[in-house]
Amino acid sequence: QVHLVQSGAEVRKPGASLKVSCKASGYNFVAFYLHWVRQAPGQGPEWMGWIDPNSGGTNYAPKFYGRVTMTRDTSSSTAFMQLNNLTSDDTAVFYCAKAPGTEEPLTNWGQGTLVTVSS
Amino acid sequence: DILLTQSPVTLSLSPGERATLSCGASQSVPSDYVAWFQQKPGLAPSLVMYDTSSRATGIPDRFSGSGSGTVFTLTINRLEPEDFAVYFCHQYGTSPLSFGGGTTVEI
Repeated sequence: QVHLVQSGAEVRKPGASLKVSCKASGYNFVAFYLHWVRQAPGQGPEWMGWIDPNSGGTNYAPKFYGRVTMTRDTSSSTAFMQLNNLTSDDTAVFYCAKAPGTEEPLTNWGQGTLVTVSS
Repeated sequence: DILLTQSPVTLSLSPGERATLSCGASQSVPSDYVAWFQQKPGLAPSLVMYDTSSRATGIPDRFSGSGSGTVFTLTINRLEPEDFAVYFCHQYGTSPLSFGGGTTVEI
């Protein structure tokens, strides 16, 4: 059974950085892309990018260029998303989600990590 | 970038009725790679439909999807109590991927 378990809620001050983890189990970690999606309160989801756990290759949404870094640790089947220079607009629930490939649906999602940015 | 616009924002229906949700794209979605997600309060989105008209695992056949190009529809026949939720459309045909703003199906 596929599980994506994310790290816990975080509170950050403006200008700080954030690193969220997503531990995968129940499938071959390197065989599926991991996407990161965030959802601000009361809004639709917003795609941030993906990482190919096999190669480490990434594709980021232009909105986040220069501010986001996605990495993975294949030894622990864990993906990470780091977001720098946080503002209050980054307050959201962040999700990791698994997909078979780059043009494939997001079939399984983590439980979400609530990030609050406030001074 | 492909912008997705969903309508209506809110759909007020009763159990047993049919829900028709629309999703319009600002440009043609390659290969009609459109999915629909259901989201309930406090939970992650859950895949309902993919490739426009393929039901995800475990989704009952009262859910159906249709469309092509820039206009896509999710239809839910004979609404059950558990169907009342927020639904998002999503295109994964081209990067950057994008989501619609959502339709709330409420009693």
